[in-house]
Amino acid sequence: QVTLKESGPALVKPTQTLTLTCTFSGFSLSTSGMRVSWIRQPPGKALEWLARIDWDDDKFYSTSLKTRLTISKDTSKNQVVLTMTNMDPVDTATYYCARDGGDLGVDPWGQGTLVTVSS
Amino acid sequence: DIQMTQSPSSLSASVGDRVTITCRASQSIRGHLNWYQQKPGKAPKLLIYTASSLQSGVPLRFSGSGSGTDFTLTISSLQSEDFATYYCQQSYTTPRTFGQGTKLEIK
Repeated sequence: QVTLKESGPALVKPTQTLTLTCTFSGFSLSTSGMRVSWIRQPPGKALEWLARIDWDDDKFYSTSLKTRLTISKDTSKNQVVLTMTNMDPVDTATYYCARDGGDLGVDPWGQGTLVTVSS
Repeated sequence: DIQMTQSPSSLSASVGDRVTITCRASQSIRGHLNWYQQKPGKAPKLLIYTASSLQSGVPLRFSGSGSGTDFTLTISSLQSEDFATYYCQQSYTTPRTFGQGTKLEIK
């Protein structure tokens, strides 16, 4: 059974750097074809894809956010870490990590973690 | 980036109705289109991948079609548990992009 869970601070101040960790089980990111993506959703708004890391350490980022995002993996810990710099109140959202199956879709998703940006 | 546009943004329907949601890509994505269902306070759930393949465990009343730039999600006979928000997503290229969502409400 594949599961993912996000962890990180619930509250960050403007200009701070956000660090989120996705801890997963049921698959290995060292296996060919495996990928993990981060997606966020501001309250009451649509889903926004942020970043993806692949088994071969290829990394892909949202065009609008790529200067602020860094994604990395620790295969031995089954973790993927997303950092986002210079946080702003508009970055308030629920942040999800999920296994990305490419053409097989994004599935499953973690439960999400709400991050509020406020002073 | 490829833009994904869904229509309508919201839809009222009754149990038993047949419902169709449309998703249009700003350029051809061939058949690389996925559909998700999201209920309030929950993570999205994959319904359909590669435009028309039903994810395991998803009821047969859900179906998808299309290729190129135009795609549809159809629910053949709405059930009460289907009232939710639906999103399309292209998996043709990165960055991946989602549609703005279609909220399906009870009439």
